[in-house]
Amino acid sequence: RKEVEQDPGPFNVPEGATVAFNCTYSNSASQSFFWYRQDCRKEPKLLMSVYSSGNEDGRFTAQLNRASQYISLLIRDSKLSDSATYLCVVNLANTGNQFYFGTGTSLTVIP
Amino acid sequence: DAGVTQSPTHLIKTRGQHVTLRCSPISGHKSVSWYQQVLGQGPQFIFQYYEKEERGRGNFPDRFSARQFPNYSSELNVNALLLGDSALYLCASSLDRPGNTIYFGEGSWLTVV
Repeated sequence: RKEVEQDPGPFNVPEGATVAFNCTYSNSASQSFFWYRQDCRKEPKLLMSVYSSGNEDGRFTAQLNRASQYISLLIRDSKLSDSATYLCVVNLANTGNQFYFGTGTSLTVIP
Repeated sequence: DAGVTQSPTHLIKTRGQHVTLRCSPISGHKSVSWYQQVLGQGPQFIFQYYEKEERGRGNFPDRFSARQFPNYSSELNVNALLLGDSALYLCASSLDRPGNTIYFGEGSWLTVV
């Protein structure tokens, strides 16, 4: 079983829409959680960390449910520039900085 | 400040050949990790190094090896290349704290023909 599972999409949404991505992780020892964004043929870049209390950064909201081992990302008022692949990432306790990535969810925002 | 730098950016190799990929971390970062990303998949962990010592190894064959130098730069070596080794190889650096954010370089695109 994969450490991190994501719906690969693709998600095609109109500008201004709200879109949500979900992710599950298999190891309850997972310690840290992140969303990374990856543009086509570019390296992944940190979008935001995910905290148990939930956190928001502008139009982006991330939620973590440790009991269900579930992470979500909500994007409000989608912009054309939000088109990218969104990677769900977890870091297990006692593995230093060994990160496990989901396959990514592809988002295209349509004019 | 310079980010993570990798070289070469693109290369083409023949099956059976050997390749060396290089990485310089962000200044002040002592931990370097290597990831392989094949098309349509997320990055897969290969190695992590800190202070020249291997801290972790992913599920990759012994054809893959790496090392870290006193200046914290790193090399990834792959021997006896297979077609399936064609991928984007990403180097990431971080401060050495578990769960600390990792920052990627632009990657090295390897094509094996």
